[in-house]
Amino acid sequence: NAGVTQTPKFRVLKTGQSMTLLCAQDMNHEYMYWYRQDPGMGLRLIHYSVGEGTTAKGEVPDGYNVSRLKKQNFLLGLESAAPSQTSVYFCASSYRGGPTGELFFGEGSRLTVL
Amino acid sequence: QKEVEQDPGPLSVPEGAIVSLNCTYSNSAFQYFMWYRQYSRKGPELLMYTYSSGNKEDGRFTAQVDKSSKYISLFIRDSQPSDSATYLCAMSAGGGFKTIFGAGTRLFVKA
Repeated sequence: NAGVTQTPKFRVLKTGQSMTLLCAQDMNHEYMYWYRQDPGMGLRLIHYSVGEGTTAKGEVPDGYNVSRLKKQNFLLGLESAAPSQTSVYFCASSYRGGPTGELFFGEGSRLTVL
Repeated sequence: QKEVEQDPGPLSVPEGAIVSLNCTYSNSAFQYFMWYRQYSRKGPELLMYTYSSGNKEDGRFTAQVDKSSKYISLFIRDSQPSDSATYLCAMSAGGGFKTIFGAGTRLFVKA
């Protein structure tokens, strides 16, 4: 009963390095999201996808790219990491058309950029 | 001004106390109001949701929405140490991808 799985759980990068966070869900959800969580800021939406092959910008998209080549996977990429991207990243998914849009979250990926 | 304001706490109470957690918001288009609970080093999980104004009760938890005041609350009765977590309010006009979260309130329930 995996739900939403994120890899890696921890990563330390140097400024300018690149990396990709992988999110996988086994609930056949249409919608997938990437959030970042920072102290005092709550969860902020980076990018989201309403279906395979589609992506859209959220509230804080700069410095990130995403891809949704398969329905069950949503990748978040950092091309040139900056210290301001030190954060905890959460992937989430939801049913299409759910009235509340209940979000199912992964356990998070902690990224530190030195 | 943020769309959703939530006091980050921390809030520390003794076991058995009644806890009141609150959020205010500015967007009158919000129709769905949710509370997520997040344990340390875990992802948030939906605790309760309410549509429009009114109250909703689920065991020891009661969610209230006052749309006229743009104010929502979560009450926890007979609080337990296992309730220690961060509680995030969230709201949307409909559809998961437009959910706006508060900053979260850290709650500690002492045995």
